[in-house]
Amino acid sequence: DADVTQTPRNRITKTGKRIMLECSQTKGHDRMYWYRQDPGLGLRLIYYSFDVKDINKGEISDGYSVSRQAQAKFSLSLESAIPNQTALYFCATSTARSGNTEAFFGQGTRLTVV
Amino acid sequence: EDKVVQSPLSLVVHEGDTVTLNCSYEVTNFRSLLWYKQEKKAPTFLFMLTSSGIEKKSGRLSSILDKKELFSILNITATQTGDSAVYLCAVGGTSYGKLTFGQGTILTVHP
Repeated sequence: DADVTQTPRNRITKTGKRIMLECSQTKGHDRMYWYRQDPGLGLRLIYYSFDVKDINKGEISDGYSVSRQAQAKFSLSLESAIPNQTALYFCATSTARSGNTEAFFGQGTRLTVV
Repeated sequence: EDKVVQSPLSLVVHEGDTVTLNCSYEVTNFRSLLWYKQEKKAPTFLFMLTSSGIEKKSGRLSSILDKKELFSILNITATQTGDSAVYLCAVGGTSYGKLTFGQGTILTVHP
């Protein structure tokens, strides 16, 4: 089983709909992240969380919200989806305990907003 | 604002060629530079570099960091079709552990 699991893997939704992407991890990491990937733009950080009570905006948080329900779960919501939110979304985890900044990624969710 | 720039954006080579991918950065409070390989979906970790001048190697892949000139290179020797992927460079620039990614380099290796 994957250490970082994202659901769903693919989703098509209509403009204006609310949608939630979910992420769970079994790595025991304290830090979790949501990125989106668009062609030619690399990965851009949407939100990140360093523990259950900590939520921080990334560089492109507008139009998104998150919830850290438990250490192992971090969900991303699009309150009213729009077509330019069509992208590949990645959840990632890391831990500061070793002093490393390496991030471990889920398999991604391909979201299409029509 | 932290910034990471990769070049070239795309590269097409034939099997057996050697390639060099570049990553330059402007980051506050640099902590580490990471290289990832992305084939179909999730990026997979290749190297993490924190000190200048120390080469990291894994098989045909190697990477080195120059903290004075603010760049890193990723070398792949004797390329194979399985090396075809997007290579991502990322920098950890704060004490918080979050990464800033470059645009990626699309490498295509033809037989």
